[in-house]
Amino acid sequence: AQSVAQPEDQVNVAEGNPLTVKCTYSVSGNPYLFWYVQYPNRGLQFLLKYITGDNLVKGSYGFEAEFNKSQTSFHLKKPSALVSASALYFCAVRFRSGYSTLTFGKGTMLLVSP
Amino acid sequence: EPEVTQTPSHQVTQMGQEVILRCVPISNHLYFYWYRQILGQKVEFLVSFYNNEISEKSEIFDDQFSVERPDGSNFTLKIRSTKLEDSAMYFCASSGGGTNTGELFFGEGSRLTVL
Repeated sequence: AQSVAQPEDQVNVAEGNPLTVKCTYSVSGNPYLFWYVQYPNRGLQFLLKYITGDNLVKGSYGFEAEFNKSQTSFHLKKPSALVSASALYFCAVRFRSGYSTLTFGKGTMLLVSP
Repeated sequence: EPEVTQTPSHQVTQMGQEVILRCVPISNHLYFYWYRQILGQKVEFLVSFYNNEISEKSEIFDDQFSVERPDGSNFTLKIRSTKLEDSAMYFCASSGGGTNTGELFFGEGSRLTVL
């Protein structure tokens, strides 16, 4: 079975500081990994993904994530946080082959203070 | 940019009533999904649908739930007899097609309130 863990319910960071939102996964074989963001009362917006190739992937709004196979992690990072990035962030995993279910972590609330 | 659209945005119903939530997936996508989220918490998988049949479903998706693609464009989720615990935000998603790169595209959600 595939699963995703987001160990932090909330991450607080001051504007301009770097941020990291943690994610670890468990899946048989090689995974597809994703980050989604949800603003209040909105749907899930795709941020970035790891499929293959470079372990560091870049996505929307200046976010990036690093795939670490040995640590089974896919942490989301941004070098300089903006207040507008305050939202709920979800890590997700699916099997590489086919069109299997996307399994989400429980989400991490990111709060960026001015 | 193509998007997934969902209706209604909010529905209030009495316990025991039937509810149908509607979705129009992105037109060239082949895989369709329903997820739900209770009170802004974890996003839970309900069901996936491909080639006019269910390809996978979770334990949440019991006999009270059904899905249909009645006309080649809409994708519906029906709850036959709603319970209080069905109150949630229901998200439709689609993926696949000629430019598939793995991610799911989500609609804005339908909020269901069961009284």
